[in-house]
Amino acid sequence: KNEVEQSPQNLTAQEGEFITINCSYSVGISALHWLQQHPGGGIVSLFMLSSGKKKHGRLIATINIQEKHSSLHITASHPRDSAVYICATNSGGSNYKLTFGKGTLLTVNP
Amino acid sequence: EPEVTQTPSHQVTQMGQEVILRCVPISNHLYFYWYRQILGQKVEFLVSFYNNEISEKSEIFDDQFSVERPDGSNFTLKIRSTKLEDSAMYFCAIFARVHSSYGYTFGSGTRLTVV
Repeated sequence: KNEVEQSPQNLTAQEGEFITINCSYSVGISALHWLQQHPGGGIVSLFMLSSGKKKHGRLIATINIQEKHSSLHITASHPRDSAVYICATNSGGSNYKLTFGKGTLLTVNP
Repeated sequence: EPEVTQTPSHQVTQMGQEVILRCVPISNHLYFYWYRQILGQKVEFLVSFYNNEISEKSEIFDDQFSVERPDGSNFTLKIRSTKLEDSAMYFCAIFARVHSSYGYTFGSGTRLTVV
């Protein structure tokens, strides 16, 4: 059974700071997802990664398959980045269903 | 137009009552899912659909739950005889081709409160 662990659980930053959120998982996967959940509850997919690195605007996601580890970076953080960031994995063969981490609550202060 | 439309956004029900949650995904999805998130906890998988059939159920998805596709376009999640511990956010989601790659899209969620 795959376990997905995230750190830190809570993160407070000042506007403009560089943010890193980490995710580790216990078994081989076919893809890892980074998701964003806003206070209203809705979940938005940010990245789906199976190897290497992806970038979208100020967000960068990396994955190291050998070490079973991924990071989400936010450059030049802004208060609107405040949200819960969730790491989730799927194992491909099992219907692509997601196994979720607990999430990291990010608060960016102006 | 949103790819996954979920209704209602909020539902309050008395313990023991039945509730039906609804979701309308875009038609060209590969997989369809129901997930739930109890307040303060991880999102958990409930059930998945592939080719109009249930492809996998979690151990949470017991006889209290049922899922249907009544008219070929929308999905319903029925929770019979609701309990206080069924209070949660319920999400439907699809795994589908988005532009040039596959990815996940979630509905906006139904916040169910059992009182």
